[in-house]
Amino acid sequence: QVQLVQSGAEVKKPGASVKVSCKASGYTFTGHGISWVRQAPGQGLEWMGWVSPYNGNTNYAQKFQGRVTMTTDTSTSTAYLELRSLRSDDTAVYYCARVRGTWFDPWGQGTLVTVSS
Amino acid sequence: DIVLTQSPGTLSLSPGERATLSCRASQSVNSNYLAWYQQKPGQAPRVLIYGASSRATGIPDRFSGSGSGTDFTLTISRLEPEDFAVYYCQQYGRSPTWTFGQGTKVEIK
Repeated sequence: QVQLVQSGAEVKKPGASVKVSCKASGYTFTGHGISWVRQAPGQGLEWMGWVSPYNGNTNYAQKFQGRVTMTTDTSTSTAYLELRSLRSDDTAVYYCARVRGTWFDPWGQGTLVTVSS
Repeated sequence: DIVLTQSPGTLSLSPGERATLSCRASQSVNSNYLAWYQQKPGQAPRVLIYGASSRATGIPDRFSGSGSGTDFTLTISRLEPEDFAVYYCQQYGRSPTWTFGQGTKVEIK
């Protein structure tokens, strides 16, 4: 079955960087884009950006441009999200999701990133 | 950028009742690009409806989506205990980009 499995929880200090992985299985990795979405505690869903495993193209939400990099490794069917210059308000659960058509299905289980001094 | 506004923020209903959730866009949205998701506490969201009215695989037929232009609706015909959750609408834009509504919580009355 189609599955996205994300890396484990992270605790980072302000100003640091974090890199979250998302390993795909059960489908042709290069056939679908991957989007990243985050959810701060008790808040809604916020789209961060998209990456194409087929050609590496990306599109980032304006809010994160300059601070985020999304990449893929087709040899391991894994997508990566790197967020730099972390602040306390970056504390959130970060999800990857397969883009199917114009919607997301399925989603990874989420990775909690805590930014605290 | 298109803004999606969901209402109400919270819906308090009893099992067996009908739930009607609204998603209003700040400008017209292609119906093919409107999706609905359900999220339960501690879980990732899952897609319910795509293309405004098409049910995703495995979604019960008590869930239905409708609407066009700027007004879209998710209807749960008879609430089951497992349906109490938060629901989000989402729209797709060129580039590509995506936007979510702020969510509607359906809680047990």
